[in-house]
Amino acid sequence: KAGVTQTPRYLIKTRGQQVTLSCSPISGHRSVSWYQQTPGQGLQFLFEYFSETQRNKGNFPGRFSGRQFSNSRSEMNVSTLELGDSALYLCASSPQAYNEQFFGPGTRLTVL
Amino acid sequence: GENVEQHPSTLSVQEGDSAVIKCTYSDSASNYFPWYKQELGKRPQLIIDIRSNVGEKKDQRIAVTLNKTAKHFSLHITETQPEDSAVYFCAASKVTGGGNKLTFGTGTQLKVEL
Repeated sequence: KAGVTQTPRYLIKTRGQQVTLSCSPISGHRSVSWYQQTPGQGLQFLFEYFSETQRNKGNFPGRFSGRQFSNSRSEMNVSTLELGDSALYLCASSPQAYNEQFFGPGTRLTVL
Repeated sequence: GENVEQHPSTLSVQEGDSAVIKCTYSDSASNYFPWYKQELGKRPQLIIDIRSNVGEKKDQRIAVTLNKTAKHFSLHITETQPEDSAVYFCAASKVTGGGNKLTFGTGTQLKVEL
């Protein structure tokens, strides 16, 4: 099976812009979670979607949002970008809502 | 919410030696504990996991132990090799019908020296 894929792999934006990142889970996986990875804060949970419903949400501002489509693909959106949003954004997929999670390669977002 | 502490932050061993990384968690309801290995510029890879109904799990040179009473779990790597050099993250999760949210430790940079 193909692994988790994320597009784009690299992105450069300026403050105030918005960005949409995409994640395609492993075929058959219905749960998609998003994480932010930074050198200072480590890996932090953003949100989880299962069957198009947000099941869990981390402690991030409302500028961070996401959705999941009927084919389990997921997108996350960050509006009004800030310099501190520069990070590696990772998505992970899981067969169910409570199984092992497999990560994609990530999207490296740089905010200038 | 859950808090996971991981030690040490860096660990240097000689090839062939053993390496041990320790994590503690705060939420006694957590019941799933995976370990991820992340090489530079790569995605985190699940290397082993343990659930709360098991005290120890082994996979070749890698083992994980869990002490629910003390709320800590450890990763043991035996006969270390240069390709084991990477950052290792522990995580904890309270897996319920409400989903699976991983809380990660801060990572351990393992360096295996020749």
